[in-house]
Amino acid sequence: GDSVTQMEGPVTLSEEAFLTINCTYTATGYPSLFWYVQYPGEGLQLLLKATKADDKGSNKGFEATYRKETTSFHLEKGSVQVSDSAVYFCALVNTGNQFYFGTGTSLTVIP
Amino acid sequence: SAVISQKPSRDICQRGTSLTIQCQVDSQVTMMFWYRQQPGQSLTLIATANQGSEATYESGFVIDKFPISRPNLTFSTLTVSNMSPEDSSIYLCSVEWGYTQYFGPGTRLTVL
Repeated sequence: GDSVTQMEGPVTLSEEAFLTINCTYTATGYPSLFWYVQYPGEGLQLLLKATKADDKGSNKGFEATYRKETTSFHLEKGSVQVSDSAVYFCALVNTGNQFYFGTGTSLTVIP
Repeated sequence: SAVISQKPSRDICQRGTSLTIQCQVDSQVTMMFWYRQQPGQSLTLIATANQGSEATYESGFVIDKFPISRPNLTFSTLTVSNMSPEDSSIYLCSVEWGYTQYFGPGTRLTVL
C-alpha cells in the first residue's frame, strides 16, 4: 500500500544553517505530495505541495521537488531561523483521497 | 483554503467521563476527517465523516468509543467516550479542499 518514510529526528541546527529533511514515498500511480509544519502547541499547517513529477513547491524559503525517479520529496531551506523550530510532516494523497503521513521530524534551531 | 476552528482548544478530564469536540469550517465541504496525534507521534486517522451518512471508522476505532456527528456541510463533532489516560492526545479535525487537507488548531486532551 501507499506509505511515506521520513527522516528520523530530532534535528538540531544552528541559525542560518542549511536544512534538508528527507522524505521518500511508495505509491502506485501519481500521488500529490505535501509538507506540513506543526509549530509548538498548534495544529498542522500546509507548508508546500507538488502535484506532479518535477514540480517544485515553495513557501517561506522552504522548497521541495517532486522526484518520481527517486520517489522522493525532500524538504530544503538555505538558511534556517529560530522561528522554523517545529515538527515537519511529509504526506501524500493518491486516488481514493486518503492521506498518508510520515512520522514527523522535529527541528530545533538554536541561535 | 478553508479556515477551521475547534472547540475546546484544550481540556483536562477525569477518567470515565466523555468530551465532545466541535469542528467548524468556514466553507461547505463534503468530507471532514478526525485524527488523533498521541504525544510525540504522527497522525492517526480515526474516521471520515460525510454529511448525511454514517462516519467511516479506521481499523482500531469504533463508534461506541468515538461517536461522530455531521449535521451539515460546515460542522462536525467527535466525542471521546468513557475516557482513560490512554486517550490523552491532540485531536485534529481536517477537511479536504482542492485535493489538499487543511487542519484545525487541534484539541489537547489530558485525561487524569
